[in-house]
Amino acid sequence: QLQLQESGPGLAKPSETLSLICTVSGGSISSNSDHWGWIRQAPGKGLEWIATVYFTGRNYYNPSLESRVSISVDTSKNQLSLNLRSPTAADTAIYYCARHEGPSNVFIPYYFDYWGQGTLVTVSS
Amino acid sequence: EVVMTQSPATLSVSPGERATLSCRASQSISSNLAWYQQKPGQAPRLLIYDASTRAAGIPARFSGSGSGTEFTLSISSLQPEDFVVYYCQQYDNWPPWTFGQGTKVEIK
Repeated sequence: QLQLQESGPGLAKPSETLSLICTVSGGSISSNSDHWGWIRQAPGKGLEWIATVYFTGRNYYNPSLESRVSISVDTSKNQLSLNLRSPTAADTAIYYCARHEGPSNVFIPYYFDYWGQGTLVTVSS
Repeated sequence: EVVMTQSPATLSVSPGERATLSCRASQSISSNLAWYQQKPGQAPRLLIYDASTRAAGIPARFSGSGSGTEFTLSISSLQPEDFVVYYCQQYDNWPPWTFGQGTKVEIK
């Protein structure tokens, strides 16, 4: 059974870089058919897609965040990571990693079928 | 960007009754729509993809329909664990992949 586990700082300071890691178990992050993504949810709010990555390094970013985020994979550790530069209080949220799945014959990410439990990050000085 | 609009924001239904949730896309997205369920303190769970295909392990009381810009999630007989929040998500025009703002199903 595929499992994802996020880890993060809990508290991040404004104007520093917020770094998150997602460890994948029960499957390979290098799977040909799988993409991996980050989604966040501000307290009491809805879901916002942040970024998606393929194990080759091909990535996609939400235009609203693209200037401040970077996503990457470490295939040796079976992990994906997210860096968010210069966070503000508006970036306070639960951050989820998820498998971004699509049809097996077309390597395109569509929907999110496996999710981590999420990690709460509060941005405050 | 495709904007997804869910209605109503809150739906009051009695246990055992049928619930019908709506999701509208700002432009046609064919059948490229997924539905998720989110329980308090938990991550979302995939219910439906391709507008009408149930994900693995999802009970048959959940069904999805629609195409183009109008979509519906139906729950045929509400169980106590179904009174939570539901989100739709489009994957036709991306990036970004976009979600609706959610519908909360509450006990009437």
